Amino acid sequence: QSVLTQPPSVSAAPGQKVTISCSGSSSNIGNNYVSWYQQFPGTAPKLLIYDNNKRPSGIPDRFSGSKSGTSATLGITGLQPGDEADYYCGTWENSLSGWVFGGGTKVTVL
Amino acid sequence: QITLKESGPTVVRPTQTLTLTCSFSGLSLTTSGVGVGWIRQPPGKALEWLAVIYYDDFHRYIPSLRNRLTITKDTSKNQVVLTMTNVDPVDTATYYCVHRPGGEDWFDPWGQGILVTVSS
Repeated sequence: QSVLTQPPSVSAAPGQKVTISCSGSSSNIGNNYVSWYQQFPGTAPKLLIYDNNKRPSGIPDRFSGSKSGTSATLGITGLQPGDEADYYCGTWENSLSGWVFGGGTKVTVL
Repeated sequence: QITLKESGPTVVRPTQTLTLTCSFSGLSLTTSGVGVGWIRQPPGKALEWLAVIYYDDFHRYIPSLRNRLTITKDTSKNQVVLTMTNVDPVDTATYYCVHRPGGEDWFDPWGQGILVTVSS
């Protein structure tokens, strides 16, 4: 069982918007930055969002991140078939002095 | 451009010791704050952070595996080595080497990963 809670799956039609929630506590999300990773089958995760809402160069602005209290959200607008992947949130966990991740969310484009 | 690549055995017998090497380029493990770590992912499951070593040799381990893990670095070879003792089938996973930029709490980039199967 992961420290951070994500929905197992979300889906939407092409062009629509999806949001993925990541729920934690004061010992992780509540007091630390959140990052998001995109993982296609059989490949390594790739950084998508860091410091709650910043995008690395090359990441389209269709991807956005936000944080409020002990939860974070990844948003994907203008959904494309190529966005079908697993998405993971991650952050520092004060009680472990280490990093924790969510269980992952599979995005399906209908 | 930073690249990392994992190497090591793809099959390990239960109770044996697993040794994985991360060879990297484009980053210096002598730069203040920089770290290289390991994250694993069992087949079909979520990511699990294991360990990190920093430029100054300071290291951290996931508490649940602290007594089985050792992480070391060889800056002359641009390598980081992770050893895991007494492996069990539940340790079967893809192991990723990751770069942790100085002062940051995220990982980028990741190595391609190496699938390690623990089986007799």
